[in-house]
Amino acid sequence: GAGVSQSPSNKVTEKGKDVELRCDPISGHTALYWYRQSLGQGLEFLIYFQGNSAPDKSGLPSDRFSAERTGGSVSTLTIQRTQQEDSAVYLCASSLWESGIETQYFGPGTRLLVL
Amino acid sequence: KNEVEQSPQNLTAQEGEFITINCSYSVGISALHWLQQHPGGGIVSLFMLSSGKKKHGRLIATINIQEKHSSLHITASHPRDSAVYICAVRGRGSRLTFGEGTQLTVNP
Repeated sequence: GAGVSQSPSNKVTEKGKDVELRCDPISGHTALYWYRQSLGQGLEFLIYFQGNSAPDKSGLPSDRFSAERTGGSVSTLTIQRTQQEDSAVYLCASSLWESGIETQYFGPGTRLLVL
Repeated sequence: KNEVEQSPQNLTAQEGEFITINCSYSVGISALHWLQQHPGGGIVSLFMLSSGKKKHGRLIATINIQEKHSSLHITASHPRDSAVYICAVRGRGSRLTFGEGTQLTVNP
């Protein structure tokens, strides 16, 4: 079946421009995460959506970052006025809970380069 | 000091060897995840643990809540096991905190 998809796969932008990254989770998964992985760095939590609950935005690094999830499905991560330090791979994951165990399914990521 | 520390950072083994990767954490957690990141970048979830031990094929994960420590073991290692293995802990909320990862290389 279809996994988590993300678009675009690569994005090159100029400093100061806004970018929008898209995540299509697996159908039926109620939880959705955004993560960031900078070059040579570990994964960093950004934001978490669960059903109709208010999202956990505690990982967003600044107010230039925002995300929404429409209709409990597709999610977009928006970065305004991009900076060079925003260059990273942005990963989306959706998850399924079964018998108290969560399995996260990761998308292929969007590689963002800010020049 | 990072909240989640993995050791070793790099590990090279010969095919067939038994491998152990360690994860220590300093905060209270509700669950711990082990992830595998392939050389191409794709990430696969291996285990979620809140207590005890889990086994899937040649992979075994254990956790000791009192000692704030988890281990990932690979039996009869194979070159296709070469990847970065990442430990992540979930605190009281939904946020995951990740270790830096262990780069495993299994030589034929």
